[in-house]
This record gives sequence, C-alpha cells and structure tokens, in this order.
Amino acid sequence: RKEVEQDPGPFNVPEGATVAFNCTYSNSASQSFFWYRQDCRKEPKLLMSVYSSGNEDGRFTAQLNRASQYISLLIRDSKLSDSATYLCVVNTLTDKLIFGTGTRLQVFP
Amino acid sequence: NAGVTQTPKFQVLKTGQSMTLQCAQDMNHEYMSWYRQDPGMGLRLIHYSVGAGITDQGEVPNGYNVSRSTTEDFPLRLLSAAPSQTSVYFCASSYKRQGQPQHFGDGTRLSIL
Repeated sequence: RKEVEQDPGPFNVPEGATVAFNCTYSNSASQSFFWYRQDCRKEPKLLMSVYSSGNEDGRFTAQLNRASQYISLLIRDSKLSDSATYLCVVNTLTDKLIFGTGTRLQVFP
Repeated sequence: NAGVTQTPKFQVLKTGQSMTLQCAQDMNHEYMSWYRQDPGMGLRLIHYSVGAGITDQGEVPNGYNVSRSTTEDFPLRLLSAAPSQTSVYFCASSYKRQGQPQHFGDGTRLSIL
C-alpha cells in the first residue's frame, strides 16, 4: 500500500461547481498534513495546511479524519483558475514529507 | 523576494557526463532538500540538509551528491548522468524542519540522452 494515495482524476467540473478530493495515508502516527497546488510544469505551492478541527480558507475547506486516515479538500464555486493538480502531503515519523501523485482538476466554462 | 532560486532551468546531458544543479535561498531557512518528480509518481526526496555542514540521504540518493557549505546554498551533483535520471528536479526549503511547509524553486528540467 502506498503511504499516500490519491485519485489521479481528472475531475472535470463546470465553473461554479463544488468538487471534493480525498487522500488516504497509511501511517497513523502522521501529524502534519498539507494540500499543495501544482500548475502544469510549475513548482508545487502550498495551498493550505490541514488542522485536526478542519479549516477553511475562502472557497477551500480542508478536513482531517484520523480514524479513517484520510484528508479531504473541498473547493466551492470553482473558477477556471482552479484548474491544476492538487497534491496531498503527509509527514512521517522521521519528519519527512511524503507527496501523493496528485489529483488533476479541470474546470471548464 | 527571490525565495528559492534554481539554475539552470533546462539542461540536456549525455550519458556519463556530470553536472551540478544550483539551489540558493534567501529566507535564512535551515532546512533544504532536493526532490525529483517523474510522471505518475509523487515527488521523491533525494537528499536533504538540516543546516550548514549537515546532509543526509532521502528516498532515492543513488547517483547524486550534495554539500551544504553555507545556509543559503545547496547544490546537487550528478556524478555520471544516466537516462534514468531524466526528470524534473525541485529544490525546497523550510524554516526549521522538513515537516513544515516547503518553499519550492521553479525546477530544473533535465534530460539525459
């Protein structure tokens, strides 16, 4: 089993739609969780950290479910500019970050 | 703000050649790392450094060397390039630990013929 697993997509959604991605992780001791965004042929950029109680940043909401070992990212009112690959990132016991392979989102007009 | 700067952006090498990918950061970050990104795979850690003079191996260190003589610079050396090292390489830094959010450079696209 991979340490971090994501559905590669693509998720094709119209503008204004709500879309959600899940990511599962294998190490129950992981403490830090992040969502990064990566545009085509660009570097990953931090989108948001994921906190135990869940957190929101504008149209983006991140949730953590420790019992089922997954994190989620919800995007409301999708914009064309949200089209990108979203990387789930989890730390390990030795404080190394493990990156998922990413979920591709394509928002169409 | 420069952040993390990588050079070159593109490079084509022949098998067996050596080269150094440069990485510099101006944020006074202690932690720096090198990743490679290949299609269908997540970013994989090559080498990392927790401070000047200290380096360690990541998940895929073979064929690469690093050094950290200053806080700012963390070059990655390919000793004898192989086609399997064709990839996109990212340098990243964070303030104290790798477990903190990473700031990435914009990458070096390397092709080995």
